[in-house]
Amino acid sequence: DAKTTQPPSMDCAEGRAANLPCNHSTISGNEYVYWYRQIHSQGPQYIIHGLKNNETNEMASLIITEDRKSSTLILPHATLRDTAVYYCIDLPSGGYQKVTFGTGTKLQVIP
Amino acid sequence: NAGVTQTPKFQVLKTGQSMTLQCAQDMNHEYMSWYRQDPGMGLRLIHYSVGAGITDQGEVPNGYNVSRSTTEDFPLRLLSAAPSQTSVYFCASREPGPRAKDTQYFGPGTRLTVL
Repeated sequence: DAKTTQPPSMDCAEGRAANLPCNHSTISGNEYVYWYRQIHSQGPQYIIHGLKNNETNEMASLIITEDRKSSTLILPHATLRDTAVYYCIDLPSGGYQKVTFGTGTKLQVIP
Repeated sequence: NAGVTQTPKFQVLKTGQSMTLQCAQDMNHEYMSWYRQDPGMGLRLIHYSVGAGITDQGEVPNGYNVSRSTTEDFPLRLLSAAPSQTSVYFCASREPGPRAKDTQYFGPGTRLTVL
């Protein structure tokens, strides 16, 4: 079973920041936080990952709390193309463990 | 570099028929996996492989067989199709790396309908 929990759906106004939360209640010290998104009918796409420091790339920012029990994916200026299902995953670094996805958060960006 | 390819893109089967969904990757990744996604649902892991000759079950393995004879290919076999197997099937590959971006690359999916 997936180890993370996310709200099933969220709305965000176009141009505003979208903040997607994730709870990592069983995350262990060697597990990274990964975020993927799935745009309608396509395979999931990697967004960002981090261990304990905040991370930023061209797509998004990732905030991880000090205790690592929760994270927030931030899309700073949401566009209609960001409408998708967003998944957070805990994944050990360098391991071949199976990767399971939860149900994710359906983000609807509203014009 | 084609990434992960899947064939066919669409398939309609009758109950009881068998078929193989093909998946290939050209990134020399050891880890490959199959997921299914039912309408409005999340991804569920069917089977995965950590290298040629090594496979293991995921969350929903019943009704599916896999084998991994080469690094590049990871076919998924439906032995006797059932309507409950109507779904979109995604193949993925991944190369875990220490402290590196451990990214899964997904294929475009196969949309299977079982009548």
